[in-house]
Amino acid sequence: SQQGEEDPQALSIQEGENATMNCSYKTSINNLQWYRQNSGRGLVHLILIRSNEREKHSGRLRVTLDTSKKSSSLLITASRAADTASYFCALDNDYKLSFGAGTTVTVRA
Amino acid sequence: EAQVTQNPRYLITVTGKKLTVTCSQNMNHEYMSWYRQDPGLGLRQIYYSMNVEVTDKGDVPEGYKVSRKEKRNFPLILESPSPNQTSLYFCASSSNTETQYFGPGTRLLVL
Repeated sequence: SQQGEEDPQALSIQEGENATMNCSYKTSINNLQWYRQNSGRGLVHLILIRSNEREKHSGRLRVTLDTSKKSSSLLITASRAADTASYFCALDNDYKLSFGAGTTVTVRA
Repeated sequence: EAQVTQNPRYLITVTGKKLTVTCSQNMNHEYMSWYRQDPGLGLRQIYYSMNVEVTDKGDVPEGYKVSRKEKRNFPLILESPSPNQTSLYFCASSSNTETQYFGPGTRLLVL
């Protein structure tokens, strides 16, 4: 099954700045999810966007989905040190969840 | 507390010695899944289960077995581990695939 491809692979920003990462995919999906992983720990679900939605918000997170371009973006606003983590997009297609390789975000104090 | 537990958390073994990694969830979820995580490759799905006695292959099932005899448990079995199965393994569960709850991970080293 297809995997999402995150871009960039790594991102370093100053505390208070925004962080944007993208996920591209190749075939149609039911929904797209974003997860966070702190240093080798289990993943934590952040947000889900369905194929018929274009934008969703959750706290400081904003996710967009462009099905015509087969891409999604995750924006973290006003970043904090605690946002330092790896972020993964996951493609949901018929009960199989496929993850990309992730974007590693480092927030500098 | 709602959680997914995995045991053991760390395991060093030798090639060919059968091992089982247990996974248990207390949320009454139908869907459970196993993933392996390798540097640069992200998470890859090994097997998943839609419900008791229903399992299906993910993207990288070779060398692994699973069973789902009870709703809460979904053990991962390596009948004859090889060094290329050295990895970080995660179990996850959900009431559907929409929000998966992950266990803490099991680090496996096969010598």
